[in-house]
Amino acid sequence: SAVISQKPSRDICQRGTSLTIQCQVDSQVTMMFWYRQQPGQSLTLIATANQGSEATYESGFVIDKFPISRPNLTFSTLTVSNMSPEDSSIYLCSVLLGTEAFFGQGTRLTVV
Amino acid sequence: RKEVEQDPGPFNVPEGATVAFNCTYSNSASQSFFWYRQDCRKEPKLLMSVYSSGNEDGRFTAQLNRASQYISLLIRDSKLSDSATYLCVVNGNAGNMLTFGGGTRLMVKP
Repeated sequence: SAVISQKPSRDICQRGTSLTIQCQVDSQVTMMFWYRQQPGQSLTLIATANQGSEATYESGFVIDKFPISRPNLTFSTLTVSNMSPEDSSIYLCSVLLGTEAFFGQGTRLTVV
Repeated sequence: RKEVEQDPGPFNVPEGATVAFNCTYSNSASQSFFWYRQDCRKEPKLLMSVYSSGNEDGRFTAQLNRASQYISLLIRDSKLSDSATYLCVVNGNAGNMLTFGGGTRLMVKP
């Protein structure tokens, strides 16, 4: 199994500011995934982060809005930039071990 | 059409009841199938994988129908602690990408 430490667990931010979310995994993994989960909705993949290369973004998500860092095989950050109330959501990082996905505890973001 | 579709519920059932959820997927090339459980304000966790031959784990039975492209989860003898959202998850042919259904909310009442 994998243990992922994600922080912050929650934050309330002013519109126009940025928030960086961190995830630390207890083992080395090639890919890390960043998801968004809006209230009452399922998980939507934002991007896949590979160590040593640029992240791959899904349709509707761009690097300028959600820059990602992946400095090594156990760590990644997602920044939510120039936030607006529409960015209020839960953000989750995830890794795959075999076919099983493990998730961080999530970051509950509220933009006011 | 969504790639993975589920009835959002909620399903309100009494303790001891049997309840079944279905999930349909659109990508016929999908390779792997799972049910995840997500408790309120928590992250999703794997409940069970779904194999072509079916899969049973205690009170939980998962089945796959490739011809009709649907997956089912049956919970027998429901417990209060089964109250959660159950996510149907499909791994398609695009590498390791997982696609999540919208989830089905189950509430088991005394």
